[in-house]
Amino acid sequence: AQKVTQAQTEISVVEKEDVTLDCVYETRDTTYYLFWYKQPPSGELVFLIRRNSFDEQNEISGRYSWNFQKSTSSFNFTITASQVVDSAVYFCALNGENEKLTFGTGTRLTIIP
Amino acid sequence: GAGVSQSPSNKVTEKGKDVELRCDPISGHTALYWYRQSLGQGLEFLIYFQGNSAPDKSGLPSDRFSAERTGGSVSTLTIQRTQQEDSAVYLCASSGGGLNTEAFFGQGTRLTVV
Repeated sequence: AQKVTQAQTEISVVEKEDVTLDCVYETRDTTYYLFWYKQPPSGELVFLIRRNSFDEQNEISGRYSWNFQKSTSSFNFTITASQVVDSAVYFCALNGENEKLTFGTGTRLTIIP
Repeated sequence: GAGVSQSPSNKVTEKGKDVELRCDPISGHTALYWYRQSLGQGLEFLIYFQGNSAPDKSGLPSDRFSAERTGGSVSTLTIQRTQQEDSAVYLCASSGGGLNTEAFFGQGTRLTVV
């Protein structure tokens, strides 16, 4: 069975602060993909990034960066210089060999102006 | 269409009635998922269709829930004899299939059972 854990249920930070969202996963598969999605107040989930289990190279895209560490089964997401528009619920997800896309419970991020 | 379309966007039904929720995936997408999101909660997996393979129904919470996908395209989620605990947003997603493809989500159907 596969499982995704997002221990942080809610985070609030003041605008321009950096914030890291944690994600820990469990799987017995050797091949899998990890994803981050954003759900703004409008409700529709939006894909942000994917990472495969063989690629531990971390990535930076603008204000977003991702840290994948297979040794600790973690796939954390950092927003630097946060903005009010970043306020949303962020979901981490795993797609394993059974292709059953499994989501964590989400982290509600509030950026305080 | 350009994106995943779900209908209706909102549905209010009386306890005990049956409801049908529709999902029209992105054209050409072979994989289709249904999830349930209760207020302030995460996404609960319900069912997964991939091409002509038998669907993965392991997430359906009871035998009152069923889903079908006709012609590998449109899907209908049916809830029989609705209960108040069925109230939630039901989300549909589709993808090109495979581990690496991201899922595209619809806006969801907000179901309220009164």
